[in-house]
Amino acid sequence: EAQVTQNPRYLITVTGKKLTVTCSQNMNHEYMSWYRQDPGLGLRQIYYSMNVEVTDKGDVPEGYKVSRKEKRNFPLILESPSPNQTSLYFCASSSTANTEAFFGQGTRLTVV
Amino acid sequence: AQSVTQLGSHVSVSEGALVLLRCNYSSSVPPYLFWYVQYPNQGLQLLLKYTSAATLVKGINGFEAEFKKSETSFHLTKPSAHMSDAAEYFCAVSADAGGTSYGKLTFGQGTILTVHP
Repeated sequence: EAQVTQNPRYLITVTGKKLTVTCSQNMNHEYMSWYRQDPGLGLRQIYYSMNVEVTDKGDVPEGYKVSRKEKRNFPLILESPSPNQTSLYFCASSSTANTEAFFGQGTRLTVV
Repeated sequence: AQSVTQLGSHVSVSEGALVLLRCNYSSSVPPYLFWYVQYPNQGLQLLLKYTSAATLVKGINGFEAEFKKSETSFHLTKPSAHMSDAAEYFCAVSADAGGTSYGKLTFGQGTILTVHP
C-alpha cells in the first residue's frame, strides 16, 4: 500500500530537549515536504526536498532542520524545541512538483 | 508568489443541502489547484485537482470544483450534503514558475464544514 509514515503520532517534550520526527514514503517520490498546521493558519511549509541531498527552506524554517540522505526518508529535527513549536506536523511526498501530494497521518507535538 | 484565501472559516449546512466552499487564489503563473479534506485525527486526503485540462473538475465523494480564471476562483461544491462530509477542507495552489517548481503547496486557512441532521 502506498503510504507516508510518520513517527511518533504524539509527542510531549520539554523545552530544549532535541527531538526527531521521522518520515518515510514507499512510492519512490522525488519531492518531500514538512508542514505545520496551526488553527486559523492552514498548513505552512517548513522545509522541502527535491531529491537526495537537496533541501531548502520553506515559509517557516526557523528552529527546524532536515536531512535527505535516502530517497525514502526525510526526518524533521528540532535541535532545541520551544513552546511556540507546539503544533501538528505533516510530512508529504509527491512524484513531481505539481502532482498530488500524499500526506502522513500527522505528529502532534507539545513542547512544555 | 502565490496565495490562497478561503472565505469562511466555518460553514454549516443541513443534510441534503448544497455545499459551497469558497476559494480564491493568487498566482503569477498558471496554477495547479487542489482541494484536500481532513477528517478528525487524520492526515489530508486529496478530493480533486485542476491541472489545466477541463475547468470543471469532479472529485471523490460527489464533490466538484470549477476553475474560473477571470474570477481567480476554485470553489468546491456538492449538491447534497451528507453527515459523513463533516470535516475540514483546504484549498491549495501550486505553481510552476519558469521551471523552478519544487512541490510546494500553498494552503488556505481551511474551512470547517458542519452538517446538521
